[in-house]
Order: sequence, then C-alpha cells, then structure tokens
Amino acid sequence: NAGVMQNPRHLVRRRGQEARLRCSPMKGHSHVYWYRQLPEEGLKFMVYLQKENIIDESGMPKERFSAEFPKEGPSILRIQQVVRGDSAAYFCASSPPHVSPDTQYFGPGTRLTVL
Amino acid sequence: GDSVTQMEGPVTLSEEAFLTINCTYTATGYPSLFWYVQYPGEGLQLLLKATKADDKGSNKGFEATYRKETTSFHLEKGSVQVSDSAVYFCALSVQGAQKLVFGQGTRLTINP
Repeated sequence: NAGVMQNPRHLVRRRGQEARLRCSPMKGHSHVYWYRQLPEEGLKFMVYLQKENIIDESGMPKERFSAEFPKEGPSILRIQQVVRGDSAAYFCASSPPHVSPDTQYFGPGTRLTVL
Repeated sequence: GDSVTQMEGPVTLSEEAFLTINCTYTATGYPSLFWYVQYPGEGLQLLLKATKADDKGSNKGFEATYRKETTSFHLEKGSVQVSDSAVYFCALSVQGAQKLVFGQGTRLTINP
C-alpha cells in the first residue's frame, strides 16, 4: 500500500508566478490535510478537505491561496503570485473515512523556494 | 487557543545517553497527544500517541505518558542511538477538531 505521495518534491518559482502542489492520499483515504512548515518552525495547519468539499480552511491565508480535492485525481494546493515569504515546506496528510482523524499519515512534502 | 510548547533545541547527546524532550500543552477540550519524528529530507512519521490521561505511548524504545495534572507529554528514551538523530514534534488534536497542533520541534543529534 503506497503511502501519501506529493509532487513535486522541490519547486522553484520567481516572485509573481503560480505554484501548484499535488497530493495523492493513501489508498482508501478520503480526508486530506495541508500543513506549512516555515524554516526552523513547527507545522501549521492550513486546510482540511474531503472529496469535493472544504471542511476547515481556518489556517489558509485569505488571499492567493486555494485548495481543492476533486472527485477524481489528487488534491491541489495552489498559490498565486508567490512572494518570498511563501518559501516553506508544504506537507500533505491523509486519513481514512469513518474513523477518528487523530492519526494522520504524512507525505514527504514539497519544498517551495521563491526567488 | 490550543497550543503546544516544546523544549528548546538543538539537543546533542552521546550514544547510549538518556533522553528527555519536554512537551507541555494547553487545550480547550480533552486532547489526544502525539509525538512525530522527521528524518532529514522526509515527512513526519508518527512515533507514538496517547488518547487519555495516564496512558503511556511507546515505540522503538521511546515512551511518553499523558499527564493531565501537569498538562505534559514528555518524550523519553533510556539509551539513544545515532540513528535517532532527527527532529521531534509534539502535537495534539482536540476531539471534534480535525487538525493537529504542533510544537516548534526539537532537533536531536546523537554523536557516536
């Protein structure tokens, strides 16, 4: 059973460009979470999605950031008009349905560098 | 709000030394508590967890006990190895909320 997959692993963008980060949850998992890790800091929750629904986006910046988890395909975290402060590691996690979401399985992360 | 405070790092120990990494929390509800480990260049892996007071989570020689009276969940290992070098994160989730709240992480380096 493959784990949570994220791609790309490393992404370099210039200021003003768009960044698209992809997350494929573990097989059978329909809950996806996105976290951001700034250098030398802990992970901060961004958004929680189920298939075709955003459940909790309380950690998402109000502008430029969006997330989706379509019926088919991976979850996408999209950052428009990136700025240097967006440079971070972005981690996706997934959990199965119908159980407590206490245990989340993390992907290897996408490291975004904004030049 | 809910928060987790971890012992400041970095921590450097010699092989076979005793390890303690302190973690305290504040939570509005009755949280579940976790320790995650992050090896260089990798994502987080669940190390252990405890879901109610006085529970002890254990894995790979690591232990942590859920202490409600002191709101703590300190990580311990009796004899560390070089392969334990990593960043360790304490985290909580509150019943009814779907997100994990993380501490800032503690970088551990074990020298041979």
